Amino acid sequence: QSVLTQPPSVSGAPGQRVTISCTGSSSNIGAAYDVHWYQQLPGTAPKLLISGSSNRPSGVPDRFSGSKSGTSASLAITGLQAEDEAHYYCQSYDNSLSGSVVFGGGTKLTVL
Amino acid sequence: EVQLVESGGGLVKPGGSLRLSCAASESTFSTFTMNWVRQAPGKGLEWVSSISRSSNYIYYADSVKGRFTISRDNAKNSLFLQMNSLRAEDTAVYYCARGEGYCRGGSCYSYPPQFDPWGQGTLVTVSS
Repeated sequence: QSVLTQPPSVSGAPGQRVTISCTGSSSNIGAAYDVHWYQQLPGTAPKLLISGSSNRPSGVPDRFSGSKSGTSASLAITGLQAEDEAHYYCQSYDNSLSGSVVFGGGTKLTVL
Repeated sequence: EVQLVESGGGLVKPGGSLRLSCAASESTFSTFTMNWVRQAPGKGLEWVSSISRSSNYIYYADSVKGRFTISRDNAKNSLFLQMNSLRAEDTAVYYCARGEGYCRGGSCYSYPPQFDPWGQGTLVTVSS
């Protein structure tokens, strides 16, 4: 049971827009901690996709965007492409756990 | 950009020990906070441990506390994870990753650290 809750899967057709939610609580996202998002392509290591809830690191297409409100965060992908098919993870910090960085359980994005 | 390469994974029996290593490609390694993150087969990511630049601050997930020890050798640009009393549930790919603060809207923050880059991972299998 992950501290941050993500839907196990989402899907969309090429060109469509999808969103992935990340729901936390008052001890993590709700405590004003930002959320980072990672993309994990099949058989590879995770890659930083969104930093500080809404910033795109250099090289990340502007089709990817992030937002945060209250105890939740969201990752949006517009203009869906086949190469976006991957697992996506949110990550934050929880002040009720010792030294604890926390991840969401991950969401598998399928491009139909 | 710094590259990270893990090694030391393998098959070990329950109760056994294993030492993982992570080699960094640059001497700037000494300026990074470093982390271990693991991923059980078909499962999500789990943060394991972190160590500050000078090893002054060390943290562990509750699931490994008392069994795993993180350390680093800045002179050799290397990070280590000593894993003792291994259990079947420790079976996972272990990644090392730099964990640093970030900036947003003109302000910079230490928490939560962002993990970038990551190594390619090393597989640890605990089985009899």
